[in-house]
Amino acid sequence: DVKVTQSSRYLVKRTGEKVFLECVQDMDHENMFWYRQDPGLGLRLIYFSYDVKMKEKGDIPEGYSVSREKKERFSLILESASTNQTSMYLCASSRFRESRSPLHFGNGTRLTVT
Amino acid sequence: ELKVEQNPLFLSMQEGKNYTIYCNYSTTSDRLYWYRQDPGKSLESLFVLLSNGAVKQEGRLMASLDTKARLSTLHITAAVHDLSATYFCAVEELLGDKIIFGKGTRLHILP
Repeated sequence: DVKVTQSSRYLVKRTGEKVFLECVQDMDHENMFWYRQDPGLGLRLIYFSYDVKMKEKGDIPEGYSVSREKKERFSLILESASTNQTSMYLCASSRFRESRSPLHFGNGTRLTVT
Repeated sequence: ELKVEQNPLFLSMQEGKNYTIYCNYSTTSDRLYWYRQDPGKSLESLFVLLSNGAVKQEGRLMASLDTKARLSTLHITAAVHDLSATYFCAVEELLGDKIIFGKGTRLHILP
């Protein structure tokens, strides 16, 4: 069974702090994604990666960066956290496009920025 | 830019009734997904639809895809309380790997 593990379930940070959200998958998936989920807005794509050291911007990349140094790990970085980044963050992974596989999601990290 | 619209966003229905959730998308795609999310939980994959006319069924849920109309439907037959959840459709860009979600349909089934 595919497992996508997000390092923290709940996180509270102060405005201006640098925040790291970590995600690890154990199924050798090529693609990894970061979404944020807000009530009434659904899931919005922040960044995704289809290979090590590769990254692509999603629809709302401003204020975020990512790192993918190893295939199994995809980190989301908030360079200077702001209160409007309070949200549920979901990491997901999938196999390469031709495999036609769905996304597998982690349990999410609920981040509060005060 | 790929846009995905679901409707309705909220649906309250009686057990035993049938209903349909609609998912429209704005650009050509050959790949559409349906997910379910229970309160406080993450998303669980329900269906992967890969071609025009594709139909998938699991229990009381049936999903279909019309790529020409850029429309997918999720049909619920004889709803039961256990199907109460939020349902998301997601569309993958034809060129590129971006996967965009709709806002979700919160389904509440009354006993």
